[in-house]
Amino acid sequence: GAVVSQHPSWVICKSGTSVKIECRSLDFQATTMFWYRQFPKQSLMLMATSNEGSKATYEQGVEKDKFLINHASLTLSTLTVTSAHPEDSSFYICSASNPIEDTQYFGPGTRLTVL
Amino acid sequence: DAKTTQPTSMDCAEGRAANLPCNHSTISGNEYVYWYRQIHSQGPQYIIHGLKNNETNEMASLIITEDRKSSTLILPHATLRDTAVYYCIVRVATSYDKVIFGPGTSLSVIP
Repeated sequence: GAVVSQHPSWVICKSGTSVKIECRSLDFQATTMFWYRQFPKQSLMLMATSNEGSKATYEQGVEKDKFLINHASLTLSTLTVTSAHPEDSSFYICSASNPIEDTQYFGPGTRLTVL
Repeated sequence: DAKTTQPTSMDCAEGRAANLPCNHSTISGNEYVYWYRQIHSQGPQYIIHGLKNNETNEMASLIITEDRKSSTLILPHATLRDTAVYYCIVRVATSYDKVIFGPGTSLSVIP
C-alpha cells in the first residue's frame, strides 16, 4: 500500500523555539494533505487541510500564525510550530490523499515535547 | 458533531472473532462507512470501507445492515497485534474529504 512518512519521528525543544515537521508521500502524488494533533488518551483532532500551491485551510480554533503549513510540492507538506510552548506538546500526524485509490494514508506521527 | 457511535471499549480472546459495532443512523445516501485503527503511538491505519454491500479484504470484513444505519467490523481471528483503537467514520468517498475522528472503540485482545 501507499506510504506516508514523517520526519522527525520525535523532537524535544525548548520553549520559545520553532519546530518544523515534514510529511512526505513516498509513492504517490498528493494534492491534498491533512494535519492532525492528538493529546494523550484523546482522539485525533484535525488542525488544517493543506492543498498544494495554495494556502492551508485551518479548522476553527487553530491559530494559523502559530501553526504554519506549507505544501510546496505534490509530495511534501510541512508544519512549523512557531514559538512552541509546553502546551503544544502533542502527537502530530499527517495524512495524504491518494487520488488514484481515493483513499487517505496516514503518517506514523511525530511526538513533540516542549520543555 | 459525531456521525457515529461506538462502544468505548471491548475485550476479545486471542484467536476468536472480534466484532466491533458502529451506529450511523444519520448516514446520507452518498456516504460510505470507513474503518481505521490506531495502534498505540502510531498513525491510523486504513482497514476497509463500504457503501451498502458487505466487503472483505485481507484484514477484515465489513457487514452493513440493509438500512445502512449500522455496521460491524469483523476481525476473524484476533491476535494480540490487533489491540488498538478502532474508528468507524462516515464520509463521502473522495480522498479530498477530511476524515473526522470520533473517540473510537479501544479493543483489547486478551491471551
